[in-house]
Amino acid sequence: RKEVEQDPGPFNVPEGATVAFNCTYSNSASQSFFWYRQDCRKEPKLLMSVYSSGNEDGRFTAQLNRASQYISLLIRDSKLSDSATYLCVVRAGTSYDKVIFGPGTSLSVIP
Amino acid sequence: EAEVAQSPRYKITEKSQAVAFWCDPISGHATLYWYRQILGQGPELLVQFQDESVVDDSQLPKDRFSAERLKGVDSTLKIQPAELGDSAMYLCASSLLPQEETQYFGPGTRLLVL
Repeated sequence: RKEVEQDPGPFNVPEGATVAFNCTYSNSASQSFFWYRQDCRKEPKLLMSVYSSGNEDGRFTAQLNRASQYISLLIRDSKLSDSATYLCVVRAGTSYDKVIFGPGTSLSVIP
Repeated sequence: EAEVAQSPRYKITEKSQAVAFWCDPISGHATLYWYRQILGQGPELLVQFQDESVVDDSQLPKDRFSAERLKGVDSTLKIQPAELGDSAMYLCASSLLPQEETQYFGPGTRLLVL
């Protein structure tokens, strides 16, 4: 089993739709969780951190379920500019905080 | 805004040749990462430096790959000899500290091995 797994995608949704991505991780000692966004042929950029109580940033909501080792990202009112690959990232609780990226889920928002 | 610099942006080489990639992290960032990203997959950590020391190179194919960060600032990743399967994007990232939430990525070096 891979350390971080994500919905395989791709997701093709119309503008204005709500879409949710799921991510699971295998290491129960994982400490920190993030969502990164990667545009086609570009470098990844931090979208948001994921906090235990859940957190929201505009149209984006991230949730963490430690018991189920599960992270989610919800995007409301999708925009064309949301089209990208969304990478789930988990930081293990080792002394040097090893970071593991998931394989990513591709989103295309269609006019 | 400070950025992570990488060069070259693109590299085409023949198998069995040597290639080298360079990364200059954001000034003051103690932690530097090299990732390999194959098309359609997420970045895979190759090596992590804390200042000039390697703290994780468990996924680095050490028979052909080497990485150094001699003065704890910029870094070089080398492949010798290159193989067809090394074709990928090589990304460098830096963070102020290992525990820092955000890793800042450079634009990457896209390698094609023929």
